[in-house]
Amino acid sequence: DQQVKQNSPSLSVQEGRISILNCDYTNSMFDYFLWYKKYPAEGPTFLISISSIKDKNEDGRFTVFLNKSAKHLSLHIVPSQPGDSAVYFCAAGPSGPGNAGGTSYGKLTFGQGTILTVHP
Amino acid sequence: DGGITQSPKYLFRKEGQNVTLSCEQNLNHDAMYWYRQDPGQGLRLIYYSQIVNDFQKGDIAEGYSVSREKKESFPLTVTSAQKNPTAFYLCASSAGRINQPQHFGDGTRLSIL
Repeated sequence: DQQVKQNSPSLSVQEGRISILNCDYTNSMFDYFLWYKKYPAEGPTFLISISSIKDKNEDGRFTVFLNKSAKHLSLHIVPSQPGDSAVYFCAAGPSGPGNAGGTSYGKLTFGQGTILTVHP
Repeated sequence: DGGITQSPKYLFRKEGQNVTLSCEQNLNHDAMYWYRQDPGQGLRLIYYSQIVNDFQKGDIAEGYSVSREKKESFPLTVTSAQKNPTAFYLCASSAGRINQPQHFGDGTRLSIL
């Protein structure tokens, strides 16, 4: 049962254009969402997050949008640069104690990742 | 520089052997996590610890064990009971407070000889 899904395994974009990466989730207890970027043989690097009280969060070229009713979030990168080429993971979790006596707090569930390639 | 250090970067194990992966953080984070990544898959949670001397099983804990005797250290032992141990292992830590992201080390790649 995959609670966080990234349905596009890969995305190819021209430099300077917008990259849009998508993520869907099923667990209604999730109210904290993050995007990570990962290069081969390295650990993921935190990019941007959003909590369920907001529908948009911006940080420079990166914007995350959250549609709670659709259980969908997206990451927009504009303008895209060749250095953005990497695997992007979305992750989701409960921001509070959750429904398991507090033991679920801090746990994140990750999607399968989307490989973004930005062509010069 | 504050960060998370995983060692070694590459590790080889013979069949039937236990092996321990090291994870140290100097970020003063309360919570630490171990994940496994397989090709084409996302990160799957093995174990996590929100405080010293306490830890919880994640989604795929079978064949693994951990300890959390010190705040800065969270070693993972891959036991011989883990039938498919070849994977990329990632350690993470977070402040453990509300809406705090996890920060990752650079991983250890474990292979079976």
